[in-house]
Amino acid sequence: NAGVTQTPKFQVLKTGQSMTLQCAQDMNHEYMSWYRQDPGMGLRLIHYSVGAGITDQGEVPNGYNVSRSTTEDFPLRLLSAAPSQTSVYFCASSSLRQGVRTEAFFGQGTRLTVV
Amino acid sequence: AQTVTQSQPEMSVQEAETVTLSCTYDTSENNYYLFWYKQPPSRQMILVIRQEAYKQQNATENRFSVNFQKAAKSFSLKISDSQLGDTAMYFCAFMKGGSNYKLTFGKGTLLTVNP
Repeated sequence: NAGVTQTPKFQVLKTGQSMTLQCAQDMNHEYMSWYRQDPGMGLRLIHYSVGAGITDQGEVPNGYNVSRSTTEDFPLRLLSAAPSQTSVYFCASSSLRQGVRTEAFFGQGTRLTVV
Repeated sequence: AQTVTQSQPEMSVQEAETVTLSCTYDTSENNYYLFWYKQPPSRQMILVIRQEAYKQQNATENRFSVNFQKAAKSFSLKISDSQLGDTAMYFCAFMKGGSNYKLTFGKGTLLTVNP
């Protein structure tokens, strides 16, 4: 049982480049989300999805796109990288089991540096 | 909108001693969940403990326990018999009940356990 798998673990981009952060979960969780972690800021929600074909914006969505074509996958796209997007990114998934929420399960994180 | 406040950016404790990390939150909801996550230097987000708001009994997981004061909107984490491996960033997080899966995080408390 792999849980939440996030790739890559590290990435360096030049300003203006685009890239996709991959996230996959094998727990059949309906809810998936992306957070960014910046020093002194905790984790902030970028985008989330409550099921295949359904996505919505979180607290800090600008500069990022997402899609959810399957239950398992939830990629995060940076359209034109900017230095302000230098951060650590986490993918997470959770579910509802017998009326009770599971906790969020996190991927290993991606440290992204935009130069 | 919900807010989560961790008023202690950094704390330190001697090995084998007890330490308490503070967390307060602001919400008008009656149905919600609270979590403490640990983030060691490996960057992995690890669930420490969870509390459902409808449960009056405080959650306990081995050396970790919480003091959940619903009326005061307080959710502190007590670590007993601190170990060197407890050195990490600790995040308090809030999740509404119902169909909303979003997590709101505090800014974190960096705990250092000294030998």
